[in-house]
Amino acid sequence: DSGVTQTPKHLITATGQRVTLRCSPRSGDLSVYWYQQSLDQGLQFLIQYYNGEERAKGNILERFSAQQFPDLHSELNLSSLELGDSALYFCASTSGGGSQADTQYFGPGTRLTVL
Amino acid sequence: QKEVEQDPGPLSVPEGAIVSLNCTYSNSAFQYFMWYRQYSRKGPELLMYTYSSGNKEDGRFTAQVDKSSKYISLFIRDSQPSDSATYLCAMTGSSGSARQLTFGSGTQLTVLP
Repeated sequence: DSGVTQTPKHLITATGQRVTLRCSPRSGDLSVYWYQQSLDQGLQFLIQYYNGEERAKGNILERFSAQQFPDLHSELNLSSLELGDSALYFCASTSGGGSQADTQYFGPGTRLTVL
Repeated sequence: QKEVEQDPGPLSVPEGAIVSLNCTYSNSAFQYFMWYRQYSRKGPELLMYTYSSGNKEDGRFTAQVDKSSKYISLFIRDSQPSDSATYLCAMTGSSGSARQLTFGSGTQLTVLP
């Protein structure tokens, strides 16, 4: 168990809908990362937050947004969902200064299915 | 062309075999190299972490980095059925586009008892 929690484990929704994925980092970790893992694209970095502020952006679509709250948990919002958004979404956290070279601890993921 | 290339396999070996997993990369700014192991329906977990070129050994696992060839390897000795998983290489650096942690596509390994 990495200490990173994600809810829900599974999510099934329809095209055009909006969903929110939640992540709680390890106790004391300030950085939260979001990744998307699909069969054809592998593990893709979406966005990083450090102590409430956006630190880095990867291949995140404009339909997707995220935030990190004062208690350091983070939410990833996915809107206008398309079939191609079906994937595993992982959250990771680190205890360092926000460098992506710090060891990242991954949560168990949320499996999103868009029908 | 992807920045990090990894043979997706699948790779199937008998128990006790030596396994070699490899990645090549194109961005010379990568300095930190990692191997993650991902069991089915689980999140990736860090297995090995190396900085710059050289070898690092941890039990049955050895990570090698050859920056001149832009090539990294993970060797698993005396492989066990419990090693059956997908292995992801990952790398990052301190500057420019390398600052983002970039993963290979993963190699699916099965160790047969």
